[in-house]
Amino acid sequence: ELKVEQNPLFLSMQEGKNYTIYCNYSTTSDRLYWYRQDPGKSLESLFVLLSNGAVKQEGRLMASLDTKARLSTLHITAAVHDLSATYFCAVDPGTGTASKLTFGTGTRLQVTL
Amino acid sequence: NAGVTQTPKFRILKIGQSMTLQCTQDMNHNYMYWYRQDPGMGLKLIYYSVGAGITDKGEVPNGYNVSRSTTEDFPLRLELAAPSQTSVYFCASTLAGGSYEQYFGPGTRLTVT
Repeated sequence: ELKVEQNPLFLSMQEGKNYTIYCNYSTTSDRLYWYRQDPGKSLESLFVLLSNGAVKQEGRLMASLDTKARLSTLHITAAVHDLSATYFCAVDPGTGTASKLTFGTGTRLQVTL
Repeated sequence: NAGVTQTPKFRILKIGQSMTLQCTQDMNHNYMYWYRQDPGMGLKLIYYSVGAGITDKGEVPNGYNVSRSTTEDFPLRLELAAPSQTSVYFCASTLAGGSYEQYFGPGTRLTVT
């Protein structure tokens, strides 16, 4: 059974600081997705990582994938309050006929002034 | 494109009642999914479909049923609602053969009392 673990589960950081969220998974996969969820809202796709060494950047967020270590990171640079949300990683093991995602528990990010 | 739409947005059910959550997508996606999200948790897959007439169980299918008679629609049926089914339900879809990035609907918040 595929397990996806994120840490930390909760992160309070000051504006302007840098930090990294980690996503570890338990089985071979080269398809990993990062989503953002604001309170009471749906999930918004942030990054799609489809190969070992993939790196994607959008604004102050950068995601990377190391399939050998079964690890993805989401790096936040110079955080701003608007980044406050819950971030989920999700892994598709790529087996079977459908793309079935297993989600991490999420990292709740709070950016304070 | 409206994307993925879900109705209703909110619903309160009494124990033992039944209801159908509606999901429609207008992106001509062949894969569709139902997830539930319990408070403070990630999403768990209930059922999925790879095309009209084809459905299969996910991680937590007990107490639910689905059907897929058209490419666009993927309703989720709750029979004999129980308090354990109190959750937020998200429908998602994706196009096979591409990045398999899943697009999510706005969610249905269900309370069973």
